[in-house]
Amino acid sequence: QSVLTQPPSASGTPGQTVTISCSGSSSNIGSNTVNWYQQLPGTAPKLLIYSNNQRPSGVPDRFSGSKSDTSASLAISGLQSEDETDYYCAAWDDSLNGVVFGGGTKVTVL
Amino acid sequence: QVQLVESGGGVVQPGRSLRLSCAASGFTFSSFGMHWVRQAPGKGLEWVAVMSHDGTIQYYGDSVKGQFTISRDNSLNTLYLQMNSLTPEDTAVYYCAKNKGSGSSWWGPFDYWGQGTLVTVSS
Repeated sequence: QSVLTQPPSASGTPGQTVTISCSGSSSNIGSNTVNWYQQLPGTAPKLLIYSNNQRPSGVPDRFSGSKSDTSASLAISGLQSEDETDYYCAAWDDSLNGVVFGGGTKVTVL
Repeated sequence: QVQLVESGGGVVQPGRSLRLSCAASGFTFSSFGMHWVRQAPGKGLEWVAVMSHDGTIQYYGDSVKGQFTISRDNSLNTLYLQMNSLTPEDTAVYYCAKNKGSGSSWWGPFDYWGQGTLVTVSS
């Protein structure tokens, strides 16, 4: 059971917008920034969004993040076939003194 | 360019120990906190441990507290994970990851990851 809660799956057709939610508590998302990682099959995760809504260099602006209170969201607009993979949210937890991850969301492009 | 290369994984019997290494290059290793993250086969990501840039601060995930020890040698640009009393539940790919912020920032995010090393605990 993950500390952060994500839906196990999400889907959309090419060009649509898919949104993935990440729910936490006051000790993690409520008091720290949220980061998102993309993991392609058989590869290491890649930082996709950091500090709630910042994109590292090279990440397309189709990817955007937001945070409100104890929840965060990742939106993928203009969905492409290459976006079909796993996404994880993460944040530091002040009570656990550690990084907590969501269980991951598998995005399917229909 | 930043490179993180893990080594030391393999098949180990339950109850035995293993030490993983992560060789870093392409950045000033001594300026950044470093993390270990693991992923059991077919499962999600699980944070294991962090060590601050100067080695003075370490935190562990609840599932490995008292069992694993993180350490670093800044003169060798290498991060370590000593794993003791291994159980089948420790079977996973272990990634080392660089903290994006430098200095006193060590709580993430992770901007670079190694390719991972597989640890299999089985008799």
